[in-house]
Amino acid sequence: DVKVTQSSRYLVKRTGEKVFLECVQDMDHENMFWYRQDPGLGLRLIYFSYDVKMKEKGDIPEGYSVSREKKERFSLILESASTNQTSMYLCASSLYRGQGAKAFFGQGTRLTVV
Amino acid sequence: GQQVMQIPQYQHVQEGEDFTTYCNSSTTLSNIQWYKQRPGGHPVFLIQLVKSGEVKKQKRLTFQFGEAKKNSSLHITATQTTDVGTYFCAGQGGGADGLTFGKGTHLIIQP
Repeated sequence: DVKVTQSSRYLVKRTGEKVFLECVQDMDHENMFWYRQDPGLGLRLIYFSYDVKMKEKGDIPEGYSVSREKKERFSLILESASTNQTSMYLCASSLYRGQGAKAFFGQGTRLTVV
Repeated sequence: GQQVMQIPQYQHVQEGEDFTTYCNSSTTLSNIQWYKQRPGGHPVFLIQLVKSGEVKKQKRLTFQFGEAKKNSSLHITATQTTDVGTYFCAGQGGGADGLTFGKGTHLIIQP
């Protein structure tokens, strides 16, 4: 089975801190995604990457950046954390860039910004 | 951009009753996927529908894809407590990138 691992299950950070959320997948998937999940808003795509060093903005990229230096690792960066970035962050990967590739999710990181 | 609407947001049922959630897309989809997220868990892939009018079954779950490939439904017959969770649909358009998720339907089952 595909395993998508997020580095932390829970994080508490202070306003203004630079925050790194790490995600690793072990099945040589091309695509990787970062979503945030908030009550009543569902899953919203922040950024995705379909290859090393490639990135594409999703629906809500403001305040975030990403890095993909290796195929298996996709990092989400909050340049200066703010309280409205308190959320559940979910990383996902899919096998290929194309139609019908199902997504495999990590266990999520619940980030609280105080 | 593509939008996927999902209703209802919450559904309370008695154990043994049926449950249905509906998805509608603003654009024609190439495929639609369904995911289930248990409380405290992460979304897990259930199924994918590709063909117009397609119907697929998984035990008590029935998935349909509309003729116009703009809507889909998930129906659960005789719900059980193990069905509790949030069900998401996710649509993919004609391009090669990303899934657009609906906001999910929270299924709450009363024993």
